[in-house]
Amino acid sequence: KAGVTQTPRYLIKTRGQQVTLSCSPISGHRSVSWYQQTPGQGLQFLFEYFSETQRNKGNFPGRFSGRQFSNSRSEMNVSTLELGDSALYLCASSLVSGGGSYNSPLHFGNGTRLTVT
Amino acid sequence: DQQVKQNSPSLSVQEGRISILNCDYTNSMFDYFLWYKKYPAEGPTFLISISSIKDKNEDGRFTVFLNKSAKHLSLHIVPSQPGDSAVYFCAAILNDMRFGAGTRLTVKP
Repeated sequence: KAGVTQTPRYLIKTRGQQVTLSCSPISGHRSVSWYQQTPGQGLQFLFEYFSETQRNKGNFPGRFSGRQFSNSRSEMNVSTLELGDSALYLCASSLVSGGGSYNSPLHFGNGTRLTVT
Repeated sequence: DQQVKQNSPSLSVQEGRISILNCDYTNSMFDYFLWYKKYPAEGPTFLISISSIKDKNEDGRFTVFLNKSAKHLSLHIVPSQPGDSAVYFCAAILNDMRFGAGTRLTVKP
């Protein structure tokens, strides 16, 4: 079974631009969560989508948005990029909503490394 | 609001000895706790979990202990191996999964 696939692996953008990241979950997984990883901050929760609906949202500005398609693939968009948005963006999928569970933990992709110059 | 905290950014242990990684949390409503391991250039991979109704879960060399009164979680790795060198994240689930900042474990041969 293929794992979680994130594209692209690396992105370099300029301040003020926008960017779209893509995530394909494990087959059969309907929940997709997005996280931002920066040094010293760990993984910060962005939002979760389940069956095309946003189920939960972290404490990020409205410049960060996402969506999920009927095939459970998800995209994350960041508009008006700032230098502080440089980070590793991780996508994770799960069978169940709400961050996974004891028996169905989150499965992560290898991330998209975004650099904003 | 950092609800899950890992106060030690790094830990160095000799091969064959015990590694103890610690995690504290603030929200007593968390249902489950998990540990993830992350190698460079890879996403985190699930390691072990524990339900809030238990105080210990063991899987091979890995044991997770939960002390609900102290809101404290720990991961024990015995014996430690060089391949265990990675960043370890503690996580907790309520309505979503919240992670600590991670502890970088180095196991020296």
